[in-house]
Amino acid sequence: GNSVTQMEGPVTLSEEAFLTINCTYTATGYPSLFWYVQYPGEGLQLLLKATKADDKGSNKGFEATYRKETTSFHLEKGSVQVSDSAVYFCALSPRSGTASKLTFGTGTRLQVTL
Amino acid sequence: SAVISQKPSRDICQRGTSLTIQCQVDSQVTMMFWYRQQPGQSLTLIATANQGSEATYESGFVIDKFPISRPNLTFSTLTVSNMSPEDSSIYLCSVPDWATDTQYFGPGTRLTVL
Repeated sequence: GNSVTQMEGPVTLSEEAFLTINCTYTATGYPSLFWYVQYPGEGLQLLLKATKADDKGSNKGFEATYRKETTSFHLEKGSVQVSDSAVYFCALSPRSGTASKLTFGTGTRLQVTL
Repeated sequence: SAVISQKPSRDICQRGTSLTIQCQVDSQVTMMFWYRQQPGQSLTLIATANQGSEATYESGFVIDKFPISRPNLTFSTLTVSNMSPEDSSIYLCSVPDWATDTQYFGPGTRLTVL
């Protein structure tokens, strides 16, 4: 079956540091890949997505590139802020048009300090 | 994008009791989903609620424990029955967005069972 593996947290960074959160997946075919963010006390929000190999999703300074050869979708940001402190979830849907079949990773908590 | 609200936002309950969680969407949707997020864990799909038909439950979840109602296209309820401390989780509802091939999530209901 489908699965998503994320690096374990928590990740603690100083403000303006570079962020990488690793995500790898197992799926047949051509899944769509997502990063969701959950701020303290709030529900999940879609951060970015990519639907095919070599696509780059980006939003709010975050980026992730769909790498089919390494089955990865690592999240990066060049300079984190305190307001980026949250839990980040990598997720996949098995193919385009199957938004109902999301598989999530376990989440990575990011803590950014001044 | 859909705006989703949930009630209650949090509750503390005694074991053996039941709690009904409400999910309201600001637009009509065919499918609604209910997830459980146990402490430190990822999201697990409980069931899919379609208006006018019985909910479809994922492996490990049964209707007697998690009865779901879907009276119209904007509303659903999830009941957690005969609760035990193991039911302490965040419960989230979501709806698919076929245009972006992903899901929008409600803010969640944080349940603590003593």
